Amino acid sequence: EAQVTQNPRYLITVTGKKLTVTCSQNMNHEYMSWYRQDPGLGLRQIYYSMNVEATDKGDVPEGYKVSRKEKRNFPLILESPSPNQTSLYFCASRPLAGTGNTIYFGEGSWLTVV
Amino acid sequence: AQSVTQLDSQVPVFEEAPVELRCNYSSSVSVYLFWYVQYPNQGLQLLLKYLSGSTLVKSINGFEAEFNKSQTSFHLRKPSVHISDTAEYFCAVSHLTSGTYKYIFGTGTRLKVLA
Repeated sequence: EAQVTQNPRYLITVTGKKLTVTCSQNMNHEYMSWYRQDPGLGLRQIYYSMNVEATDKGDVPEGYKVSRKEKRNFPLILESPSPNQTSLYFCASRPLAGTGNTIYFGEGSWLTVV
Repeated sequence: AQSVTQLDSQVPVFEEAPVELRCNYSSSVSVYLFWYVQYPNQGLQLLLKYLSGSTLVKSINGFEAEFNKSQTSFHLRKPSVHISDTAEYFCAVSHLTSGTYKYIFGTGTRLKVLA
């Protein structure tokens, strides 16, 4: 089954404690990205990657890091989380070539920073 | 710059009534148009999309959307909703920029179907 898997699904952490949200896809997609979803703001892209070792900033990259060492994995790293990073996070992937490609989303990770 | 506007943040509707969720976009280039649905505690999944050809596109569960180039709209409709259609719906556009396709999402419309 084609899927994007992210973990953890739910996490409460304290300000400043580094955390990593993992993401893995089994569709051999080149393009992967992270979004955060906040009420009234919809989905905003944090970072994206068009292939291994190729990452770039999205619209709201401050406070986040990513890496793409393998094609299937794209972890999101919060080096020093702050309360304004409390949000619902989605990992997503899609093929890079072609037009009008469908984006496949993970089930989301609820993060609360206290 | 390209943008997507979903004017209605919430739409309550009674079961078996028709519904329309509005989506307008602004773009100076050709775009592809999508509707995604997010059921409670789930990720987004594709509902339908317009790439080219017939301007009316349909999903397997009775939703349809019509691409209107002159009005730059892609409204989502269903003639008779079910309780199970309760979800958040996101309109999105995709356009070519700097050699790759960028996707922009609207802020979402929460559809609440009432018994």
